[in-house]
Amino acid sequence: QSVLTQPPSASGTPGQRVTISCSGSSSNIGSYTVNWYQQLPGTAPKLLIYNINQRPSGVPDRFSGSKSGTSASLAISGLQSEDEADYYCAAWDDSLYVWVFGGGTKLTVL
Amino acid sequence: EVQLVESGGGLVQPGGSLRLSCAASGFNFDDSAMHWVRQAPGKGLEWVSGISWNSGSIDYTDSVKGRFTMSRDNAKNSLYLQMSSLRPEDTAFYYCAKDKGSSARRTGPFDIWGQGTVVTVSS
Repeated sequence: QSVLTQPPSASGTPGQRVTISCSGSSSNIGSYTVNWYQQLPGTAPKLLIYNINQRPSGVPDRFSGSKSGTSASLAISGLQSEDEADYYCAAWDDSLYVWVFGGGTKLTVL
Repeated sequence: EVQLVESGGGLVQPGGSLRLSCAASGFNFDDSAMHWVRQAPGKGLEWVSGISWNSGSIDYTDSVKGRFTMSRDNAKNSLYLQMSSLRPEDTAFYYCAKDKGSSARRTGPFDIWGQGTVVTVSS
């Protein structure tokens, strides 16, 4: 059972907009920034969004992040087939004194 | 090119030991906190351990405390994870990851990841 809760799956058709939620608590998302990672099949994770809504160089602006209270969301607009991957949220937890990840959301592009 | 390359994984019997290494290049290693993150087969990501730029603070997830020791050698641009008393549930891909900051706590993110090394604990 992960400290951060994500839906196990999400799907959309090309061109659609999809959102992936990440629910936490006051000791993690409620107090600290949220980072998102993308893991394409058979590859290492890659930083996708950091500090809630910042994109590293090279990440398309189709990807965006937001946070409200103890929850965060990742939005992907203009969905493309190459976006099919697992997505993880992460945050520091000040009660557990560890980094916590969500369980991951498998995105399928139909 | 910024790169992290893990090594040292393999098959080990329960109760055994293994030392993972991570060679860093292409960035100022001694300015960056570092982490180990693992992924069991078919499962999600789990943070294992983090170390600040100067080894002044080292944190572990509860399940590895007392069994795993994380260290770094800034002169060699290298990161290590000494694993002992290994259990079948430690079986996973182990990734080293660079922190964008110098502290391993609170902000991150993990902006560079290695390709991982596989650890299998089985008799």
